[in-house]
Amino acid sequence: ELKVEQNPLFLSMQEGKNYTIYCNYSTTSDRLYWYRQDPGKSLESLFVLLSNGAVKQEGRLMASLDTKARLSTLHITAAVHDLSATYFCAVDHGSSNTGKLIFGQGTTLQVKP
Amino acid sequence: NAGVTQTPKFQVLKTGQSMTLQCAQDMNHEYMSWYRQDPGMGLRLIHYSVGAGITDQGEVPNGYNVSRSTTEDFPLRLLSAAPSQTSVYFCASSYLRVNEQFFGPGTRLTVL
Repeated sequence: ELKVEQNPLFLSMQEGKNYTIYCNYSTTSDRLYWYRQDPGKSLESLFVLLSNGAVKQEGRLMASLDTKARLSTLHITAAVHDLSATYFCAVDHGSSNTGKLIFGQGTTLQVKP
Repeated sequence: NAGVTQTPKFQVLKTGQSMTLQCAQDMNHEYMSWYRQDPGMGLRLIHYSVGAGITDQGEVPNGYNVSRSTTEDFPLRLLSAAPSQTSVYFCASSYLRVNEQFFGPGTRLTVL
């Protein structure tokens, strides 16, 4: 059974600081997705990582995928208040690309001025 | 494009009642899915479909039915509502091969 674990689950940080969110998963998969959710809102796609070594960057966020270690990271550079949200990683379940995504628990990021 | 739409936005049911949550997309996506989101538990997959006429169970399918008669629509039916089904329900769709899922705005369901 595929399990996806994120850590930390809650992160409070000062503006201007750097930090990394980790996403570990338990079985083989080469597709990983990062989403953002603002309070009371729906999920917004941030990154799609489709192969080992994939790296994507958008603004102050950078995501990477290491399929051998079964690990993805979401790195935040010089955090700003607007990045406050909950971040989810999700892993494609199985090699047949059925479209079943298993989500991590989410990491709630609070950026303080 | 309207993207993924869901109705209703809010719903209150009594235990034992049945209802259907509606989901539609206008992006011609093959894949559609239903998730529920509960505090501290992320999103859990209820049912999914890889095309019209094809559905399958996700992680937590009990108490829910789905059907997919068209590419555009994927309704979720609660057979006999229970308080444990109080949750926020999201519908999502994607092109199957890439699988970047686009989420609807959600339905907040309370079962008394």
